[in-house]
Amino acid sequence: DTAVSQTPKYLVTQMGNDKSIKCEQNLGHDTMYWYKQDSKKFLKIMFSYNNKELIINETVPNRFSPKSPDKAHLNLHINSLELGDSAVYFCASSQVLRNIGEETQYFGPGTRLLVL
Amino acid sequence: RKEVEQDPGPFNVPEGATVAFNCTYSNSASQSFFWYRQDCRKEPKLLMSVYSSGNEDGRFTAQLNRASQYISLLIRDSKLSDSATYLCVVNIRDMGRRALTFGSGTRLQVQP
Repeated sequence: DTAVSQTPKYLVTQMGNDKSIKCEQNLGHDTMYWYKQDSKKFLKIMFSYNNKELIINETVPNRFSPKSPDKAHLNLHINSLELGDSAVYFCASSQVLRNIGEETQYFGPGTRLLVL
Repeated sequence: RKEVEQDPGPFNVPEGATVAFNCTYSNSASQSFFWYRQDCRKEPKLLMSVYSSGNEDGRFTAQLNRASQYISLLIRDSKLSDSATYLCVVNIRDMGRRALTFGSGTRLQVQP
């Protein structure tokens, strides 16, 4: 009964390959995110979608392309993988509480990507 | 300068100790504030929101000083299960964009 799920949990691949990570949330939230957590444990936003529309696109190489087929799914495709892409990628979702303008983000379990 | 700065630690404390973490943020457009907890090899989870008046949740007390752009978390009577990394998080709403900005985390190790 996971709220935010990601697949795969682990991904080991060679440089130059193309890979995708999938994310699904069953919370009915409008907004979904992708974060990258590097080896120094620093968590940084990459993308955010609200109702399937891209609203945040941080300075991320264009080898990374998010796709949101519906508001419950946000997938991340990575082309031409590089060594520096090795990290943990977290998907998250949130819903703004309009009465107080606050939101809590719920994170998926993470996908550990290792590029060899 | 990082948008959210925290002392990385680690803080090694005995069970029962009181420990305080501090955090500063640089963007005055920051509108809401949180502490998240991240266990080793797990995802971040919300610990508590931080309000201007200060707020308490059991053994945890959070404080916010908007003038100094400073957030704190106090943990009383530490338990072994409190061992984790504590992430200071601010929500910056700027030009219609909403995004959580995370500090790099402070690691806490509670020892028996």
